[in-house]
Amino acid sequence: DIQMTQFPSTLSASVGDRVTITCRASQSISNWLAWYQQKPGKAPNLLIYKASNSKSGVPSRFSGSGSGTEFTLTISSLQPDDFATYYCQQYNSYPWTFGQGTKVEIK
Amino acid sequence: QVQLVQSGAEVKKPGASVKVSCRASGYPFTGYYIHWVRQAPGHGLEWMGWINPHSGGTNFAQKFQGRVTVTRDTSITTAYMELSSLTSDDTAVYYCARDLGGRLDLWGQGTLVTVSS
Repeated sequence: DIQMTQFPSTLSASVGDRVTITCRASQSISNWLAWYQQKPGKAPNLLIYKASNSKSGVPSRFSGSGSGTEFTLTISSLQPDDFATYYCQQYNSYPWTFGQGTKVEIK
Repeated sequence: QVQLVQSGAEVKKPGASVKVSCRASGYPFTGYYIHWVRQAPGHGLEWMGWINPHSGGTNFAQKFQGRVTVTRDTSITTAYMELSSLTSDDTAVYYCARDLGGRLDLWGQGTLVTVSS
C-alpha cells in the first residue's frame, strides 16, 4: 500500500498568513493526488485534484503543486473560514490512501 | 439538487451487522462509481472500497474483504454498504462519496455507527 505522510500534523496561524501543508507519498503517484478540507462534524470537501487543479468554486487562495512523491497545499492568505483539517489522498493505485491530516488552528 | 443522502445513525452490538444506505439524486446514478470511506472518532479517513452502480462490480481494501458487501438498487438510485462481524474498532462515521475520475467530489453527510455491548 502507498503510505501518505502529511506534515505538520498541527499548524497554528493567524488570519492573513500564508500557510503550506506538505504531503509525501511512499512511492511515486505521478500527479494523482487530491486535497480535502474537513470541518468538525462535516464530510470532507474536495479542494484540489490532480495535484494542482482547483475544484470549481474553491477560492483562488487555495493552490496545490507537486508531482511524484512530494506535494504541497498552499493557502495564500488564511481566512477565518479556513480553520479546519486538511487531508491529502492518493488515487494512483488501490487501496486509495489518505494522509493523517493537518489541523489548521487559530494562533 | 445534486446530493448523496445517507441513512441515520446506528447502534449495534459486537458480532452484529450494519447496513448503511446512500441515496443519490440530481445526476445519472449509473454514471459514477460510489466509494465508501470511514472515519473513527478523532481519527483520519480510511478508504473501504467502491461499487460501480452500472455493472454492480465492486473492489474493496484487503482489510475489509470477506466482511463488507456493497450493493446497489438502480431503480431507487441507492447504494448500500453492509459490514458484518462488528467490533468496537468499527465504531466510526461512514461516508459514501461519488468518484469523478479518481477524486471524490460529492460526499454524503455521513452515518455514525456505534458498536457497543
